[in-house]
Amino acid sequence: GQNIDQPTEMTATEGAIVQINCTYQTSGFNGLFWYQQHAGEAPTFLSYNVLDGLEEKGRFSSFLSRSKGYSYLLLKELQMKDSASYLCAVRDFNFNKFYFGSGTKLNVKP
Amino acid sequence: DTEVTQTPKHLVMGMTNKKSLKCEQHMGHRAMYWYKQKAKKPPELMFVYSYEKLSINESVPSRFSPECPNSSLLNLHLHALQPEDSALYLCASSPRTNTNTEAFFGQGTRLTVV
Repeated sequence: GQNIDQPTEMTATEGAIVQINCTYQTSGFNGLFWYQQHAGEAPTFLSYNVLDGLEEKGRFSSFLSRSKGYSYLLLKELQMKDSASYLCAVRDFNFNKFYFGSGTKLNVKP
Repeated sequence: DTEVTQTPKHLVMGMTNKKSLKCEQHMGHRAMYWYKQKAKKPPELMFVYSYEKLSINESVPSRFSPECPNSSLLNLHLHALQPEDSALYLCASSPRTNTNTEAFFGQGTRLTVV
């Protein structure tokens, strides 16, 4: 089975840096993915890690430690439009399934 | 074309109705998915099609019936739904089933069962 945990909600200030953590326990692992979802819209892909370490994509970075079952998404230079839910998803060993965490609602304040 | 297109965007149906949700992608992806998402909850996997064959059914009730007519199309046939089936239904696709690639999501169909 899959158990993916994220904080429910976070608040940060425009221009700041925020780190959203994700811990997981899975029966098999083939990559961890981060998605952004605005209310009522589809999830959009941000970043993924399959090996340990940091992946950087512009203002977004994601880190993975497979031995600890831990990942984080780092958002720099926060903008108001970054207010959204951030979903951590694990792709299992079958390669076919993406299991999602409950999501972290990020509120960016002026 | 890097889109997954879902129709309709909104659907209201009665409990005795039969309706279908449609999903289309022209990215050559060979894995396609149906997810159900309730408000303030994460997407929950329903079905996975791999090379046009149903490979995973996550114990979904038979009132939901998926169909994959060809590699670009995925349908979800609905019959005798319950009000608790009201949700956002998301279609997704990914390039192949055996690679570490992300899933691309459509905009979803917001379904209301009355």
